[in-house]
Amino acid sequence: AIQLTQSPSSLSASVGDRVTITCRASQGIVSALAWYQQKPGKPPKLLIYDASSLQSGVPSRFSGSGSDTDFTLTISSLQPEDFATYYCQHFDTYPLTFGGGTKVEIK
Amino acid sequence: EVQLVQSGAEVKKPGESLKISCKGSGYRFTNYWIGWVRQMPGKGLEWMGIIYPGDSDTRFSPSFQGQVAISADKSINTAYLQWSSLKASDTAMYYCARQDDYSGYDCWGQGTLVTVSS
Repeated sequence: AIQLTQSPSSLSASVGDRVTITCRASQGIVSALAWYQQKPGKPPKLLIYDASSLQSGVPSRFSGSGSDTDFTLTISSLQPEDFATYYCQHFDTYPLTFGGGTKVEIK
Repeated sequence: EVQLVQSGAEVKKPGESLKISCKGSGYRFTNYWIGWVRQMPGKGLEWMGIIYPGDSDTRFSPSFQGQVAISADKSINTAYLQWSSLKASDTAMYYCARQDDYSGYDCWGQGTLVTVSS
């Protein structure tokens, strides 16, 4: 099974900061990667699909990049509502696995 | 509006069986895979498996193969996750989600909390 390693596992940032989260796949997955945001007590929300495509309705401060094994999620200017946990997930081959998550906390 | 509505929270004893549901609306249910995701208390997301309601084609994570069953009744737009003998370690929130082609889970159910305790 393909493993996804996210880093960091947590980070502290301030409103307005640029935040970057990385996701590394154990083997090449082309661009078959999605990013989600999850807030406490809520289901995850799709932010990015196909590594860099912005899901409808998601603010443009979110962006994704990368291909093959290395991917990033960037929040260009962190907003108060962005404090949450972020997960990557691949869609290359079954089983579809998630990364371990990155918790973004208020500094 | 595309929507997935899951059945309510369950409290069960070890060894009991359980079947939880996920009902889709607002789209052609048979044309999209439905995945199941586990989230244990305070932990991350774990992909369990997936079903294509159109023909009931099913795939599992090796971690969950043989531990749960996934099924669907396309006549009522509902997918199911089932256990034959629950364990305390099955205590978790379980989400269903619609898979949009092979690019992302674009709609999620609200989650079903399963608590297994003697």
